[in-house]
Amino acid sequence: QVQLVESGGGVVQPGGSLRLSCAASGFIFSDRGMQWVRQPPGKGPEWVAFIEYDGSKKYYADSVKGRFTISRDNSKNTVHLEMNSLRAEDTAVFYCAKGGLSTGSFEIWGQGTMVTVSS
Amino acid sequence: DIQMTQSPSTLSASVGDRVTITCRASQSIGVWLAWYQQRPGNAPKLLIYWASTLQSGVPSRFSGSGSGTEFTLTISSLQPDDFATYYCQQYNAYSWTFGQGTKVEMK
Repeated sequence: QVQLVESGGGVVQPGGSLRLSCAASGFIFSDRGMQWVRQPPGKGPEWVAFIEYDGSKKYYADSVKGRFTISRDNSKNTVHLEMNSLRAEDTAVFYCAKGGLSTGSFEIWGQGTMVTVSS
Repeated sequence: DIQMTQSPSTLSASVGDRVTITCRASQSIGVWLAWYQQRPGNAPKLLIYWASTLQSGVPSRFSGSGSGTEFTLTISSLQPDDFATYYCQQYNAYSWTFGQGTKVEMK
């Protein structure tokens, strides 16, 4: 059974940092691109970052470029999101998602982890 | 960036109704369009990809159509489980964007 479990969310002050993790199971992790998607309270989802199956390519939304870094460890079936210089507008539920194979879609989502940026 | 616009924002319907949601892209995206269902407190769930391909396990009352800039999601006969918010999402050159959502509520 495919499963994605996020962790690392919490409350952080503006300007602070946080590191999210996503543990994957039930599929060949090293074969798939992985994504982070966030959803502010009461709003629609927003794509955040993508990492290729082997970590060779990384892409970011303009809103987080230069502040967030996506990485993965294929030996541990985990993907991470390092978030720096956090702002109030980064407050959201952050989801880890498994990319569809050549479909451009988010095939499987985790349950999400809440990040609140507030003083 | 490609913008996605859904209509309507809210839709009131009854069990058994045929429901159609429209999604428009600000430029042509071929068939790189997916649809998701989200129930309150849950993560989005993939329903359709490549504009019209049903994800495994999704009931056949859901269907998608369109290409280029105009797309539709149709629920042929609305069931109690289908009251939820629906999002379209496009993919183009390592960039992904979602529509603002359509909430399907009980009439």
